[in-house]
Amino acid sequence: AQSVSQHNHHVILSEAASLELGCNYSYGGTVNLFWYVQYPGQHLQLLLKYFSGDPLVKGIKGFEAEFIKSKFSFNLRKPSVQWSDTAEYFCAVNARYGGSQGNLIFGKGTKLSVKP
Amino acid sequence: DGGITQSPKYLFRKEGQNVTLSCEQNLNHDAMYWYRQDPGQGLRLIYYSQIVNDFQKGDIAEGYSVSREKKESFPLTVTSAQKNPTAFYLCASSPFGISGQPQHFGDGTRLSIL
Repeated sequence: AQSVSQHNHHVILSEAASLELGCNYSYGGTVNLFWYVQYPGQHLQLLLKYFSGDPLVKGIKGFEAEFIKSKFSFNLRKPSVQWSDTAEYFCAVNARYGGSQGNLIFGKGTKLSVKP
Repeated sequence: DGGITQSPKYLFRKEGQNVTLSCEQNLNHDAMYWYRQDPGQGLRLIYYSQIVNDFQKGDIAEGYSVSREKKESFPLTVTSAQKNPTAFYLCASSPFGISGQPQHFGDGTRLSIL
C-alpha cells in the first residue's frame, strides 16, 4: 500500500531561520504531489503542488518544494520563516495508474512553531 | 464567495446515537470527500463521491455512512457502530473527480462523546 512519511512531528524555529520539512512517499510510478497548510483555527489550504515539469515548485508565501524522483521525496523549504508561518503542514500524494488517479494519501503532518 | 460549509462546528454524541455532519459546497465541484483527522495521524479518507448518487468507501469507512443525492451536498452519518468517533472531521471537494486536482477543504466539525 502507498504511504507518505513526514519525518518530523514537531519543528521549533526562531524567526528568520531556514525551514526544510521532509516528505517521502512509497509509490514507484507517476505521482501528483501536494503540500497543504493548516493555520490555527483555519481550514486546510493548498500551499503548492507538483504535477509535471520543473521539479522545483514555488508556492504561496515564499514556500517552495523540490521533487526528487530518485529519492521519492518532495521536501518543503522556506529560506526565512516568520511567526505567522506557525501551522501544521501536510504532505499529500496521489498516484496515477494509467489514465486514472488514486485517492489522495496524506502524511501525518508536521507542526511548525516559530518563536518571535 | 464560493466554498465549503460544514456544520455544526462542534457536535456531541451520546452512546448508541447516530449523528449526521453536514457538508455543502457551492463550487460546482463534482467530487466530494470526508476525512477524519486525529492528532498525529494526519487525514484518513472515510468516503468519497465522484458524482451524484455514487460513493465509494475510503480507508476507514466502518461505522460511517454517506449519501450524495445532490451535487452540492454530501452528509456523513457517524453511526453507533463507530466505537471511537471522537475526532475532527473534514469535508473536501475537487473539480473533476479523482483527477489529481487539488482539493478544497471546509472548516471541519469536531465530534465528541458525552
